[in-house]
Amino acid sequence: GQNIDQPTEMTATEGAIVQINCTYQTSGFNGLFWYQQHAGEAPTFLSYNVLDGLEEKGRFSSFLSRSKGYSYLLLKELQMKDSASYLCAVKFDFNKFYFGSGTKLNVKP
Amino acid sequence: DSGVTQTPKHLITATGQRVTLRCSPRSGDLSVYWYQQSLDQGLQFLIQYYNGEERAKGNILERFSAQQFPDLHSELNLSSLELGDSALYFCASSVEASGTTDTQYFGPGTRLTVL
Repeated sequence: GQNIDQPTEMTATEGAIVQINCTYQTSGFNGLFWYQQHAGEAPTFLSYNVLDGLEEKGRFSSFLSRSKGYSYLLLKELQMKDSASYLCAVKFDFNKFYFGSGTKLNVKP
Repeated sequence: DSGVTQTPKHLITATGQRVTLRCSPRSGDLSVYWYQQSLDQGLQFLIQYYNGEERAKGNILERFSAQQFPDLHSELNLSSLELGDSALYFCASSVEASGTTDTQYFGPGTRLTVL
């Protein structure tokens, strides 16, 4: 639901920077979350954006443009342990959450 | 460790059967969410409970039902199971209080295999 789109898979090199994009329908938007999920494990919370701009948290940053229905997650100084799926989740209206299908990030040496 | 617990960790059953999955939220969290994650698919929101009452419904089949008890633990009941119900079922909890971000914290999941 709500057409949350993100790339299926990306590959990047250890030490590099990678940007994972997410687009969504803007109607009813009430917050955007990024989660990391290693295969077979539970998603873990990375970041939250509800206002336009950049939120920085260590090596990870997340950006939001509400008017464009667009967000990205920026991962710097990539490490092998960053190989995982990254899920974009949007809260619509009061309490409806929708997750994108996830972007599988492969970090190579 | 998110503080959310789910039991059992694994469940193997046959088509047509009924199972119950259990979730205990983090201490202090009033909201519980259930999600289904099939192979190669994203998280599908099933249902949310807040302080014992149903708050939101997603793509939950009529064969599935859930409830949240006074001690805030929740159960997801899956009946007349089909092969396609095989998936990871996650429970998440959040505070959902005014002024908070409603960040959801996920349990380790229950892997259901229907044979």
